Amino acid sequence: DTEVTQTPKHLVMGMTNKKSLKCEQHMGHRAMYWYKQKAKKPPELMFVYSYEKLSINESVPSRFSPECPNSSLLNLHLHALQPEDSALYLCASRPLLREYNSPLHFGNGTRLTVT
Amino acid sequence: GDSVTQMEGPVTLSEEAFLTINCTYTATGYPSLFWYVQYPGEGLQLLLKATKADDKGSNKGFEATYRKETTSFHLEKGSVQVSDSAVYFCALINFGNEKLTFGTGTRLTIIP
Repeated sequence: DTEVTQTPKHLVMGMTNKKSLKCEQHMGHRAMYWYKQKAKKPPELMFVYSYEKLSINESVPSRFSPECPNSSLLNLHLHALQPEDSALYLCASRPLLREYNSPLHFGNGTRLTVT
Repeated sequence: GDSVTQMEGPVTLSEEAFLTINCTYTATGYPSLFWYVQYPGEGLQLLLKATKADDKGSNKGFEATYRKETTSFHLEKGSVQVSDSAVYFCALINFGNEKLTFGTGTRLTIIP
């Protein structure tokens, strides 16, 4: 069982829709991540939050808007996406951003299809 | 910058065969090294880790040893099962860089 929970598991949205992905962890981790994974590729980093503040934005288009309302919750708001944004979106967490011996804990992801 | 190189897949083996998936890295200093596994339709699960030279990580019959002299972290298992079929990612985190650097992944298929 994963300790990082992502909802929904699957999402189909049109290019004019607005939707949100949700990620929750109760391990007390203070660093949270969003990754995007295309088929047969490794995950690509999108955003990193540390202590609820945005620490890293990997030049992600503004149609993706992250939010960290508290230490347990991470959202990714989606608006005006393109079909090429279809992918598996993974959330991850680790105890602290600069605790370099600690692995990232991943959720099972949200499979997003943009039509 | 940091990088991870994994052996090209896909890899197909018969059940009970010996498995090796090669992983080498380029990084300054002493990064922490990880193997993640991704089963079909799921996220990534940590399989094992090693945080300093000569450390051996092990889990579920898989092993990997952090070799500083050869900058390698090869994954091995003595007898694979059908349930080991998955994609395996080698990864590292280095001091001063908060990002997890992944290899390209190796797809493993075990045939009964």
